[in-house]
Amino acid sequence: IAGITQAPTSQILAAGRRMTLRCTQDMRHNAMYWYRQDLGLGLRLIHYSNTAGTTGKGEVPDGYSVSRANTDDFPLTLASAVPSQTSVYFCASSVESGQPQHFGDGTRLSIL
Amino acid sequence: ILNVEQSPQSLHVQEGDSTNFTCSFPSSNFYALHWYRWETAKSPEALFVMTLNGDEKKKGRISATLNTKEGYSYLYIKGSQPEDSATYLCALTRGTGNQFYFGTGTSLTVIP
Repeated sequence: IAGITQAPTSQILAAGRRMTLRCTQDMRHNAMYWYRQDLGLGLRLIHYSNTAGTTGKGEVPDGYSVSRANTDDFPLTLASAVPSQTSVYFCASSVESGQPQHFGDGTRLSIL
Repeated sequence: ILNVEQSPQSLHVQEGDSTNFTCSFPSSNFYALHWYRWETAKSPEALFVMTLNGDEKKKGRISATLNTKEGYSYLYIKGSQPEDSATYLCALTRGTGNQFYFGTGTSLTVIP
C-alpha cells in the first residue's frame, strides 16, 4: 500500500542518547517534512526538504538534524536527546513544496 | 512566531446541524491556506488548498472560503454527521510555500 512509513511507532529514550526517527515514502514525492506535535501547540515544522539533496530549517529546528540522500527517505536525528524533545513526531510528504501533505502515523517519543 | 489562530477550540453539535469554524492568519506574504481533517488515532488528511482571494472549495458537505486581504478562512459543514467528528486544522504557507504554519485546530464532536 502506497504511503508513508514511520519507525519506530514509539520509543522511550534516556536523555543524552542519540536517536534517529525513520521516514520512508513510496509515492515519489519531492517534498518531505518533519513536525512535532505538542499539547496546545499544534503541529510545528522542524525541518523540510524540497527535493533529494536539499534540506531547510522549519520553525523549531534546534536539537534536530535531517538528511535527504534520496527521494524516498528523510530521517530525523536527535544528536543528544533532552526531555523537552518528548513529543509525537510526524513525517509528511507532498508532490511538490507547498502542495497538500500526506502524513505518516507518527512516532511517540519519550525522553527521560 | 507566526500566529495561525482557529476558533472555536472545540465544538459540539447535534447530528443534522450545520456548523462553521474560522482560521485567522497574517495576510502578508500569503502563499496558500490548507485545511486538514484529523480523526482520532489516524493521521491528518488534506481537505482543501486555496491560493486566491475569494476562493471557494467544496467536497461533499464540506466547503471552505478564503479572504486573503483580511486574513481569514471559513470551513463549513452542512448537515453534520457523527463521522464528521474530528479535529479540523488549517495551515498557512507563505513566500515560496516551503514552510507550513498550523493552527491548533477545532475539535468537532457530532452527537447522534
